[in-house]
Amino acid sequence: GENVEQHPSTLSVQEGDSAVIKCTYSDSASNYFPWYKQELGKRPQLIIDIRSNVGEKKDQRIAVTLNKTAKHFSLHITETQPEDSAVYFCAASIPNAGKSTFGDGTTLTVKP
Amino acid sequence: SQTIHQWPATLVQPVGSPLSLECTVEGTSNPNLYWYRQAAGRGLQLLFYSVGIGQISSEVPQNLSASRPQDRQFILSSKKLLLSDSGFYLCAWSVTGGHSPLHFGNGTRLTVT
Repeated sequence: GENVEQHPSTLSVQEGDSAVIKCTYSDSASNYFPWYKQELGKRPQLIIDIRSNVGEKKDQRIAVTLNKTAKHFSLHITETQPEDSAVYFCAASIPNAGKSTFGDGTTLTVKP
Repeated sequence: SQTIHQWPATLVQPVGSPLSLECTVEGTSNPNLYWYRQAAGRGLQLLFYSVGIGQISSEVPQNLSASRPQDRQFILSSKKLLLSDSGFYLCAWSVTGGHSPLHFGNGTRLTVT
Protein backbone atom coordinates (compact mmCIF):
# COMPACT_ATOMS: atom_id res chain seq x y z
CA GLY A 1 0.00 0.00 0.00
CA GLU A 2 0.85 3.67 -0.08
CA ASN A 3 3.33 5.04 2.45
CA VAL A 4 3.75 8.76 3.18
CA GLU A 5 6.69 10.17 5.11
CA GLN A 6 6.57 13.74 6.41
CA HIS A 7 9.45 15.92 7.64
CA PRO A 8 10.22 17.60 9.89
CA SER A 9 8.07 16.45 12.79
CA THR A 10 8.49 19.82 14.51
CA LEU A 11 9.38 23.20 13.06
CA SER A 12 9.90 26.47 14.84
CA VAL A 13 10.26 29.74 12.93
CA GLN A 14 10.27 33.43 13.71
CA GLU A 15 7.26 35.46 12.66
CA GLY A 16 7.74 36.68 9.11
CA ASP A 17 10.05 33.83 8.11
CA SER A 18 9.11 31.09 5.67
CA ALA A 19 8.29 27.50 6.61
CA VAL A 20 8.67 24.42 4.42
CA ILE A 21 7.27 20.96 5.13
CA LYS A 22 8.14 18.03 2.88
CA CYS A 23 6.40 14.74 2.17
CA THR A 24 7.39 11.74 0.10
CA TYR A 25 5.08 9.02 -1.14
CA SER A 26 5.77 5.53 -2.36
CA ASP A 27 3.02 4.64 -4.85
CA SER A 28 3.35 6.31 -8.24
CA ALA A 29 -0.40 5.75 -8.76
CA SER A 30 -1.18 8.47 -6.20
CA ASN A 31 -2.51 11.51 -7.98
CA TYR A 32 -4.11 13.75 -5.38
CA PHE A 33 -2.21 15.47 -2.57
CA PRO A 34 -4.09 17.54 0.04
CA TRP A 35 -2.66 19.42 3.00
CA TYR A 36 -4.58 19.86 6.24
CA LYS A 37 -4.12 22.22 9.16
CA GLN A 38 -5.18 21.18 12.64
CA GLU A 39 -5.30 23.73 15.40
CA LEU A 40 -5.10 22.53 18.98
CA GLY A 41 -8.24 20.64 19.95
CA LYS A 42 -9.88 21.23 16.60
CA ARG A 43 -10.58 19.15 13.52
CA PRO A 44 -8.17 19.05 10.57
CA GLN A 45 -9.17 21.35 7.74
CA LEU A 46 -8.03 21.44 4.15
CA ILE A 47 -5.78 24.39 3.37
CA ILE A 48 -4.56 23.53 -0.13
CA ASP A 49 -4.41 20.58 -2.49
CA ILE A 50 -2.73 19.65 -5.75
CA ARG A 51 -3.41 17.13 -8.46
CA SER A 52 -0.72 15.19 -10.27
CA ASN A 53 -1.18 17.07 -13.52
CA VAL A 54 -0.01 20.29 -11.86
CA GLY A 55 3.48 21.11 -10.58
CA GLU A 56 2.67 24.03 -8.33
CA LYS A 57 -0.34 25.73 -6.79
CA LYS A 58 -0.47 28.92 -4.78
CA ASP A 59 -3.07 30.51 -2.54
CA GLN A 60 -1.94 33.78 -0.98
CA ARG A 61 0.84 32.91 1.49
CA ILE A 62 0.55 29.16 0.98
CA ALA A 63 1.95 27.15 -1.93
CA VAL A 64 2.37 23.49 -2.69
CA THR A 65 4.86 21.99 -5.15
CA LEU A 66 4.81 18.48 -6.57
CA ASN A 67 7.65 16.49 -8.11
CA LYS A 68 6.10 13.36 -9.60
CA THR A 69 9.39 11.92 -10.74
CA ALA A 70 10.90 12.09 -7.27
CA LYS A 71 7.53 11.36 -5.63
CA HIS A 72 7.63 14.22 -3.21
CA PHE A 73 5.57 17.30 -2.52
CA SER A 74 6.08 20.26 -0.24
CA LEU A 75 4.08 22.92 1.57
CA HIS A 76 5.51 26.42 1.62
CA ILE A 77 4.21 29.11 3.96
CA THR A 78 5.63 32.59 3.50
CA GLU A 79 5.49 35.54 5.89
CA THR A 80 4.45 33.28 8.74
CA GLN A 81 2.19 34.62 11.45
CA PRO A 82 1.49 33.32 14.99
CA GLU A 83 -1.92 32.07 13.82
CA ASP A 84 -0.12 29.70 11.43
CA SER A 85 0.97 27.72 14.50
CA ALA A 86 -0.71 24.31 14.21
CA VAL A 87 -0.13 20.73 13.15
CA TYR A 88 0.05 20.24 9.40
CA PHE A 89 -0.68 16.92 7.72
CA CYS A 90 0.05 15.90 4.16
CA ALA A 91 -1.80 13.08 2.43
CA ALA A 92 -1.73 11.10 -0.78
CA SER A 93 -4.65 9.44 -2.55
CA ILE A 94 -4.80 6.71 -5.18
CA PRO A 95 -7.75 6.98 -7.60
CA ASN A 96 -10.78 4.96 -6.49
CA ALA A 97 -8.90 3.52 -3.52
CA GLY A 98 -11.51 5.02 -1.21
CA LYS A 99 -8.97 6.35 1.26
CA SER A 100 -6.04 8.72 1.75
CA THR A 101 -2.71 7.93 3.38
CA PHE A 102 -1.55 10.59 5.84
CA GLY A 103 1.86 11.67 6.95
CA ASP A 104 2.54 11.76 10.68
CA GLY A 105 2.19 15.52 10.91
CA THR A 106 4.42 18.53 11.50
CA THR A 107 3.96 20.78 14.51
CA LEU A 108 4.70 24.32 13.36
CA THR A 109 5.35 27.00 15.96
CA VAL A 110 5.61 30.61 14.84
CA LYS A 111 7.29 32.78 17.47
CA PRO A 112 6.15 36.41 17.64
CA SER B 1 -24.01 23.07 1.32
CA GLN B 2 -22.72 19.93 2.96
CA THR B 3 -22.41 19.56 6.71
CA ILE B 4 -21.22 16.80 8.96
CA HIS B 5 -22.52 16.21 12.45
CA GLN B 6 -20.69 14.15 15.02
CA TRP B 7 -21.70 13.54 18.59
CA PRO B 8 -21.10 13.55 21.46
CA ALA B 9 -18.30 16.10 21.70
CA THR B 10 -16.85 14.57 24.85
CA LEU B 11 -17.38 11.25 26.53
CA VAL B 12 -16.00 9.63 29.67
CA GLN B 13 -16.59 5.90 29.89
CA PRO B 14 -15.37 3.18 32.28
CA VAL B 15 -13.30 0.27 31.04
CA GLY B 16 -15.51 -2.55 29.83
CA SER B 17 -18.47 -0.35 28.97
CA PRO B 18 -19.96 -0.18 25.45
CA LEU B 19 -19.45 2.67 23.00
CA SER B 20 -21.52 4.18 20.24
CA LEU B 21 -20.44 7.25 18.31
CA GLU B 22 -22.63 8.57 15.54
CA CYS B 23 -21.90 10.67 12.50
CA THR B 24 -24.29 12.00 9.87
CA VAL B 25 -23.69 13.96 6.70
CA GLU B 26 -26.14 16.33 5.07
CA GLY B 27 -26.25 17.85 1.63
CA THR B 28 -24.59 15.09 -0.37
CA SER B 29 -25.40 11.60 -1.59
CA ASN B 30 -23.33 8.42 -1.53
CA PRO B 31 -20.33 9.93 0.24
CA ASN B 32 -17.27 7.99 1.30
CA LEU B 33 -17.29 7.89 5.11
CA TYR B 34 -14.37 7.48 7.49
CA TRP B 35 -13.55 7.03 11.16
CA TYR B 36 -10.14 8.22 12.36
CA ARG B 37 -8.59 8.13 15.82
CA GLN B 38 -5.96 10.51 17.08
CA ALA B 39 -4.01 9.85 20.26
CA ALA B 40 -2.75 12.92 22.12
CA GLY B 41 -0.04 14.64 20.12
CA ARG B 42 -0.10 11.98 17.44
CA GLY B 43 -1.17 11.51 13.85
CA LEU B 44 -4.41 10.38 12.24
CA GLN B 45 -5.05 6.66 12.38
CA LEU B 46 -7.65 5.40 9.92
CA LEU B 47 -9.94 2.92 11.64
CA PHE B 48 -12.71 2.25 9.13
CA TYR B 49 -13.93 3.56 5.81
CA SER B 50 -17.03 2.93 3.76
CA VAL B 51 -17.73 3.53 0.08
CA GLY B 52 -21.41 2.55 0.32
CA ILE B 53 -24.20 1.27 2.55
CA GLY B 54 -23.18 -1.93 4.27
CA GLN B 55 -19.63 -1.75 2.85
CA ILE B 56 -17.09 -1.38 5.64
CA SER B 57 -13.32 -1.72 5.34
CA SER B 58 -11.31 -2.14 8.51
CA GLU B 59 -7.78 -0.84 8.64
CA VAL B 60 -6.69 -1.84 12.12
CA PRO B 61 -7.83 -5.01 13.94
CA GLN B 62 -9.14 -4.05 17.36
CA ASN B 63 -12.19 -4.19 19.55
CA LEU B 64 -14.01 -1.53 17.55
CA SER B 65 -16.55 -2.00 14.77
CA ALA B 66 -18.33 0.28 12.35
CA SER B 67 -21.65 0.20 10.59
CA ARG B 68 -23.34 2.23 7.88
CA PRO B 69 -27.08 1.62 8.22
CA GLN B 70 -28.00 4.51 5.94
CA ASP B 71 -26.27 6.32 3.10
CA ARG B 72 -25.19 9.28 5.21
CA GLN B 73 -24.89 7.68 8.64
CA PHE B 74 -21.77 6.10 10.05
CA ILE B 75 -21.57 4.54 13.51
CA LEU B 76 -18.52 3.49 15.51
CA SER B 77 -19.12 0.92 18.23
CA SER B 78 -17.44 -1.18 20.84
CA LYS B 79 -18.84 -3.84 23.10
CA LYS B 80 -16.16 -3.40 25.77
CA LEU B 81 -13.88 -0.39 25.92
CA LEU B 82 -10.19 -0.65 26.79
CA LEU B 83 -8.01 2.04 28.32
CA SER B 84 -6.14 2.19 25.01
CA ASP B 85 -9.35 3.26 23.24
CA SER B 86 -8.99 6.75 24.71
CA GLY B 87 -8.42 9.41 22.07
CA PHE B 88 -9.91 11.94 19.73
CA TYR B 89 -12.29 10.28 17.27
CA LEU B 90 -12.96 12.03 14.01
CA CYS B 91 -15.59 11.22 11.43
CA ALA B 92 -15.04 12.46 7.89
CA TRP B 93 -16.63 12.32 4.47
CA SER B 94 -15.46 12.81 0.91
CA VAL B 95 -16.90 12.69 -2.57
CA THR B 96 -16.45 9.29 -4.18
CA GLY B 97 -13.91 8.72 -6.93
CA GLY B 98 -10.80 10.44 -5.64
CA HIS B 99 -9.48 13.98 -6.17
CA SER B 100 -11.58 15.04 -3.23
CA PRO B 101 -10.50 16.26 0.21
CA LEU B 102 -11.76 14.92 3.49
CA HIS B 103 -14.25 17.00 5.46
CA PHE B 104 -13.95 16.27 9.15
CA GLY B 105 -16.52 16.50 11.90
CA ASN B 106 -15.71 18.32 15.12
CA GLY B 107 -14.60 15.12 16.79
CA THR B 108 -15.39 13.23 19.97
CA ARG B 109 -12.89 13.27 22.80
CA LEU B 110 -13.20 9.87 24.50
CA THR B 111 -11.61 9.18 27.85
CA VAL B 112 -11.75 5.61 29.13
CA THR B 113 -11.22 5.45 32.88
